[in-house]
Amino acid sequence: AQRVTQPEKLLSVFKGAPVELKCNYSYSGSPELFWYVQYSRQRLQLLLRHISRESIKGFTADLNKGETSFHLKKPFAQEEDSAMYYCALRGYGQNFVFGPGTRLSVLP
Amino acid sequence: ETGVTQSPTHLIKTRGQQVTLRCSSQSGHNTVSWYQQALGQGPQFIFQYYREEENGRGNFPPRFSGLQFPNYSSELNVNALELDDSALYLCASSLGSRQREDTQYFGPGTRLTVL
Repeated sequence: AQRVTQPEKLLSVFKGAPVELKCNYSYSGSPELFWYVQYSRQRLQLLLRHISRESIKGFTADLNKGETSFHLKKPFAQEEDSAMYYCALRGYGQNFVFGPGTRLSVLP
Repeated sequence: ETGVTQSPTHLIKTRGQQVTLRCSSQSGHNTVSWYQQALGQGPQFIFQYYREEENGRGNFPPRFSGLQFPNYSSELNVNALELDDSALYLCASSLGSRQREDTQYFGPGTRLTVL
């Protein structure tokens, strides 16, 4: 079965502090993992995907197949990073499975 | 280049009724996916259409059906509405479902309330 878990519903950090949003998945195969973000009053949008191995807005995420994790990290959080973050997996066929989301609040 | 649009923005129906939600894909996109997002949860995949054919389906009953038109716009139909169908329905379009680098672009959603 395909499943994505995000253990934290809400994560609050101070501006300039490091941030790590956790994501774990279950999938019997080679998954494609993504992070999506939704800023206040905006649409859901792709932040980054593991196959690109890119850094977007200072965020990075490494796929750890041994731990079945794809945690999102940023060394210094900014207030504009406050948003809802969803981890997602693309598995069998073209099905996307989203996690429940973590709301990141960056305090001044 | 126009983005993904959805109509209507909000909708109120009663149990047992039928509803049709509409989505216009981004220019040049031939793939449309539909998601249901209940309050406090992540989006749940309903199904995907690629060049007018269903190309994948999530764990939703047959009363959820869809259609994609030659211009790649799409409809989501839900029959025999239940209270649990109350949710935000999201549509996402992409260039082509078989491309590994494919990116989904989401619409603003339709908020459905079933009373």
